[in-house]
Amino acid sequence: GAGVSQTPSNKVTEKGKYVELRCDPISGHTALYWYRQSLGQGPEFLIYFQGTGAADDSGLPNDRFFAVRPEGSVSTLKIQRTERGDSAVYLCASSPGTGGMNTEAFFGQGTRLTVV
Amino acid sequence: DAKTTQPTSMDCAEGRAANLPCNHSTISGNEYVYWYRQIHSQGPQYIIHGLKNNETNEMASLIITEDRKSSTLILPHATLRDTAVYYCIVRARSNDYKLSFGAGTTVTVRA
Repeated sequence: GAGVSQTPSNKVTEKGKYVELRCDPISGHTALYWYRQSLGQGPEFLIYFQGTGAADDSGLPNDRFFAVRPEGSVSTLKIQRTERGDSAVYLCASSPGTGGMNTEAFFGQGTRLTVV
Repeated sequence: DAKTTQPTSMDCAEGRAANLPCNHSTISGNEYVYWYRQIHSQGPQYIIHGLKNNETNEMASLIITEDRKSSTLILPHATLRDTAVYYCIVRARSNDYKLSFGAGTTVTVRA
């Protein structure tokens, strides 16, 4: 399909392990976003990429979280030393251009991360 | 970004119009009102947005009061597939790439 693709759809990991979550945005979309959604809450902003660079990473909760987008397309969210509190659905979205006021963001289905 | 207030939940009957209110009394002049919805186990989906004029598209209509302190999303003929959490978001031009989701309204469409 032509939508935003996230893999894996589900990930169970042990506390303390490292995980990588992948996002394939819609082809040609230069803006890419990561959000995190805890149970019963709305999504929370983590990081925004414009092209290859992270234009705003103010939502990353701490330095265990890192995201890259080396070629301006696929992005990987990396979490080190996972904690049980990191359990959530991680959502990726993309939009064309600069992601401004008159563009909509297209979301993927998310990766459900469970830390046991 | 200005905060929004939405009812926690609401029911509506299949085939009837669903009117979803949102209060944003601190909205400033250059802030837009956006609506997204999230069907269970899916990512959020854009519905509609507006600044001060009423807007309509194939999914819904957005009615913004003249003072812009509140708005209503109207689903003209609700179906069971419209059951979802609906988020009203005020988006500032200075952070125009960022969506600040609240808790939203859980809408249940009943047959």
